[in-house]
Amino acid sequence: GDSVTQMEGPVTLSEEAFLTINCTYTATGYPSLFWYVQYPGEGLQLLLKATKADDKGSNKGFEATYRKETTSFHLEKGSVQVSDSAVYFCALSDRGAGSYQLTFGKGTKLSVIP
Amino acid sequence: DTGVSQDPRHKITKRGQNVTFRCDPISEHNRLYWYRQTLGQGPEFLTYFQNEAQLEKSRLLSDRFSAERPKGSFSTLEIQRTEQGDSAMYLCASSLVWDRDLLGYTFGSGTRLTVV
Repeated sequence: GDSVTQMEGPVTLSEEAFLTINCTYTATGYPSLFWYVQYPGEGLQLLLKATKADDKGSNKGFEATYRKETTSFHLEKGSVQVSDSAVYFCALSDRGAGSYQLTFGKGTKLSVIP
Repeated sequence: DTGVSQDPRHKITKRGQNVTFRCDPISEHNRLYWYRQTLGQGPEFLTYFQNEAQLEKSRLLSDRFSAERPKGSFSTLEIQRTEQGDSAMYLCASSLVWDRDLLGYTFGSGTRLTVV
């Protein structure tokens, strides 16, 4: 079945540091890939997505590129802020399955300190 | 468009009681999903509806769980005879799928269930 593996947390960075959160996936079909963010006490918010190989999703300074050859979708940001502290989830949706249900990784908690 | 709404935000219940949660999706969306999220884990798919038809149920959805979506609008998720293991955040999401393209996927803020 489909699965998503993302790097274990927690990750603690100083403000303005470079962020990478690794994500790899296994899918039977040709999935769409997503990064969601969950701020403390809030629901999941879509951060960015990519629907085909070599697509780059970007939003709020975050980027991720759909790499079919390495089955990866790593999240990056050049300079993190304290307000980026949250839990980040990598997810996929396999169009071949028909339901478009999302399969999530376990999440990576990011803490940014001033 | 006010997004996906879920009610209540929090629910504390005694073991063995029944609980019901409600989800109001984005009106233009044609699919509605229920997920469960336990502490330190990513959300896990439970079930989904296309309009009023329930098309898929996860093995996580035991016989004590039932979901409905009358008239293809809001949805309810009922848990009968709650157990402590049911304690989790229950998330609702809605999406728009058109011609096999996923055009939107929005989550509600969730209902946090605590079974004591």
